[in-house]
Amino acid sequence: QSVLTQPPSVSAAPGQKVTISCSGSSFNIGNNHVSWYQQLPGTAPKLLIYENNKRPSGIPDRFSGSKSGTSATLGITGLQTGDEADYYCGTWDNSLSTHVVFGGGTQLTVL
Amino acid sequence: QVQLQESGPGLVKPSETLSLTCTVSGGSISSGSYYWSWLRQPPGKGLEWIGFMHYSGRSDYNPSLKSRATISVDTSKNQFSLKLISVTAADAALYYCARFNFNGPNTHGDYWGQGTLVTVSS
Repeated sequence: QSVLTQPPSVSAAPGQKVTISCSGSSFNIGNNHVSWYQQLPGTAPKLLIYENNKRPSGIPDRFSGSKSGTSATLGITGLQTGDEADYYCGTWDNSLSTHVVFGGGTQLTVL
Repeated sequence: QVQLQESGPGLVKPSETLSLTCTVSGGSISSGSYYWSWLRQPPGKGLEWIGFMHYSGRSDYNPSLKSRATISVDTSKNQFSLKLISVTAADAALYYCARFNFNGPNTHGDYWGQGTLVTVSS
């Protein structure tokens, strides 16, 4: 059971837009920045978004992030078949013991 | 460009100790506010943070693994290591090392190793 809640899967057609939600609590998302990672099949996770909405160098602006209250959202526009991957949200959790927490991951299918 | 590479035995016997090393290149392990981290991913499952350490010695661990995991940093070799004692089948996973930025409310991993698969079997 993951601390952060993500939908197990989402799908959309090439060229369309998709959003992936990440729900937490005041112990984590509510008081800390959220990051998003893309994990292509058979590869290591790759940082897509940090500090809620910032993109590392080299990440296209088709990827965007936002946060409101205790939830965060990853948006991907102009979907490409190469975007098919698992996506994870992550943040710091200040509950009983502080630590890094992740969502369970969302599998994106580009139909 | 910072690169991380995991190394260590791919097979560990139940009840024994898992030991992995991560070699960092393209940057110094003793610079900045980076925390050198270990994470794992059981086959077909999600990411689990094990813990991290700053070169100064400050460390933090996942509460569920804290009693069994130890991370250490060797600045002379630009490496950091993970030891996980008393392993069981539940510890079989793809183990990743990563560099985490950690300051205030911000925590994110910007560089990751390719991962190393650890099997637990007698």
